[in-house]
Amino acid sequence: DIVLTQSPVSLSLSPGERATLSCRASQIIFSDYLAWYQHRPGQAPRLLIYGASTRAAGIPERFSGRGSGTDFTLTISRLEPDDFAVYFCQQYGSSDRTFGQGTKVEIK
Amino acid sequence: EAQIWESGGGLVQAGGSLKLSCTASGFTFSSYTMSWVRQAQGKGLEWVSGISGSGMTTYYADSVKGRFVISRDNSKNTVSLQMNNLGVDDTAIYFCAKDRAMEYFDPWGQGTLVTVS
Repeated sequence: DIVLTQSPVSLSLSPGERATLSCRASQIIFSDYLAWYQHRPGQAPRLLIYGASTRAAGIPERFSGRGSGTDFTLTISRLEPDDFAVYFCQQYGSSDRTFGQGTKVEIK
Repeated sequence: EAQIWESGGGLVQAGGSLKLSCTASGFTFSSYTMSWVRQAQGKGLEWVSGISGSGMTTYYADSVKGRFVISRDNSKNTVSLQMNNLGVDDTAIYFCAKDRAMEYFDPWGQGTLVTVS
């Protein structure tokens, strides 16, 4: 299975600041088939990005994804109050789809 | 707007069984694969099982193969997960999600908690 390692485990930032989250794969992800999700406690996870860099429908432009091969990044350009949540990546380049452990973005 | 919600979670003894249900609305249900994904406390997410739109093809993670059975009723827009011979390692929040062709998941439900003691 492809192991996805997310860093940092947690990130303490203020509203308006930029958040940069990393997702590193144990092997190359075929066709950059990587997705990012946002998960607020008690709510349904929400798809943000797929194909490493394509925003899902209705996702604000402040969310952007980039990367290829084994290294991927999710950037939130200016944090808004609703953005404080857990973010996790997921690869679908192999038949055994796997998820990262998540990065918690907290209010400083 | 596509919406998904789960039900059926609860407390069960080790070795017991539980059946989860998932209901969807807002999209052509029979056209999409549906999956269950779980998250144990303090751990990452794990895809558990999926079923094709027609119900003809099912998929299981090795960790649940032979114990869990997924099914669907397209007339009711529901997917079920019958969980048998449950162990403490099956304790988790179970999410139902629309599965984009065995790729990514969108949307998800809020999840239902299964606790095995």
